[in-house]
Amino acid sequence: RKEVEQDPGPFNVPEGATVAFNCTYSNSASQSFFWYRQDCRKEPKLLMSVYSSGNEDGRFTAQLNRASQYISLLIRDSKLSDSATYLCVELVPGSGYALNFGKGTSLLVTP
Amino acid sequence: DAGVTQSPTHLIKTRGQHVTLRCSPISGHKSVSWYQQVLGQGPQFIFQYYEKEERGRGNFPDRFSARQFPNYSSELNVNALLLGDSALYLCASTSRTGANVLTFGAGSRLTVL
Repeated sequence: RKEVEQDPGPFNVPEGATVAFNCTYSNSASQSFFWYRQDCRKEPKLLMSVYSSGNEDGRFTAQLNRASQYISLLIRDSKLSDSATYLCVELVPGSGYALNFGKGTSLLVTP
Repeated sequence: DAGVTQSPTHLIKTRGQHVTLRCSPISGHKSVSWYQQVLGQGPQFIFQYYEKEERGRGNFPDRFSARQFPNYSSELNVNALLLGDSALYLCASTSRTGANVLTFGAGSRLTVL
């Protein structure tokens, strides 16, 4: 099975810090990518889609590098409420709506 | 509007038993997908149903089956439970307009003893 790889962390950062996560994917045919956020023992929730041109939503910026097959998520001015697991996700090519999730990166923002 | 609802929220079974998990999609959503999330892992795709037909299946054994009803709700069935089936089972629904609007339910947490 083609994999999506993430550093599991945990990333411990102080409030206000900038933190970046990277994720690599092995299927060169993959076209669509997402970042999901998952709080402890809760369901995953879509954070943002990832585009080659970059995608910014407030303090969050996602980027796709097709040549190197990696996806990044940058969080600026971290808040305590950003503490969660961030899942890197690819839409499996040709599958319809099957999503292939990474194992997630754990972020803990401390006061 | 109600989101994706799943039942039961928690259940405990013993090895060899059978379990049925239920999911009601968001009103108007015709596609339902099932995912298994083992502790410490990302969710893994099990099935996708659209308009009552199976449209995709992940790498799971035949002990796993599902169906979708005329009202678009869905059931996931797992036979001959193994300890390794202990997981959070997530249902997600979407309209046919793209995976970027995939919405997950809160899940059914299954423990197999």
